Amino acid sequence: EVQLVQSGAEVKKPGESLKISCKGSGYSFTSYWIGWVRQMPGKGLEWMGSIYPGDFDTRYNPSLQGQVSISVDKSLTTAYLHWSSLKASDTAMYYCVRHSPAVWHYDSWGQGTLVTVSS
Amino acid sequence: FMLTQPHSVSESPGKTVTISCAGSSGSIASNYVQWYQQRPGSAPTTVIYENNYRPSGVPDRFSGSIDISSNSASLTISGLKTEDEADYYCQSYDSRNGVFGGGTKLTVL
Repeated sequence: EVQLVQSGAEVKKPGESLKISCKGSGYSFTSYWIGWVRQMPGKGLEWMGSIYPGDFDTRYNPSLQGQVSISVDKSLTTAYLHWSSLKASDTAMYYCVRHSPAVWHYDSWGQGTLVTVSS
Repeated sequence: FMLTQPHSVSESPGKTVTISCAGSSGSIASNYVQWYQQRPGSAPTTVIYENNYRPSGVPDRFSGSIDISSNSASLTISGLKTEDEADYYCQSYDSRNGVFGGGTKLTVL
């Protein structure tokens, strides 16, 4: 069974750094992209970026580039989403998703990680 | 590249509703369109993938289509049930980016 399991909820202050994780299991981790999707409170879904563990190719939503970074540890079959300096506007639910190289169908979703940034 | 959906639609139980997803540029047929259902407090799940395929477990009341002439995709739900009340998102991609529509809140009343 394909599973994406995300790290737990976080409460942080503005300016702090944060890395959340997404562990994949039940499939060939290096053969699928892992993406991150943001959902701000009461708002819609927004693709943030994706990484291909096979060769570390990484794509970012142009509107968000520079605000976050995406990485992966193949040995741990885990992808990460990292902020170096959080803002209150980063408060959101973050989902990791899996998609194939050929078709960007997000066929498996993590349970979500709620990030709250507040002073 | 953007996808535009109506903010909300409503229909009665037993009826049929269609949710549209308009592409802003290029051809919507260039890459596959997916549809996701999201109920409050839950992660989204796929109801349609690759324009018109249903994952196992999704009832055949759900169907998807592409209209090249209007550069849009559509999700049609027939025989509406109260359990279909949810947010629905279309999604596609280009050579380097994924994109979601803004989402449509379906009310079944």
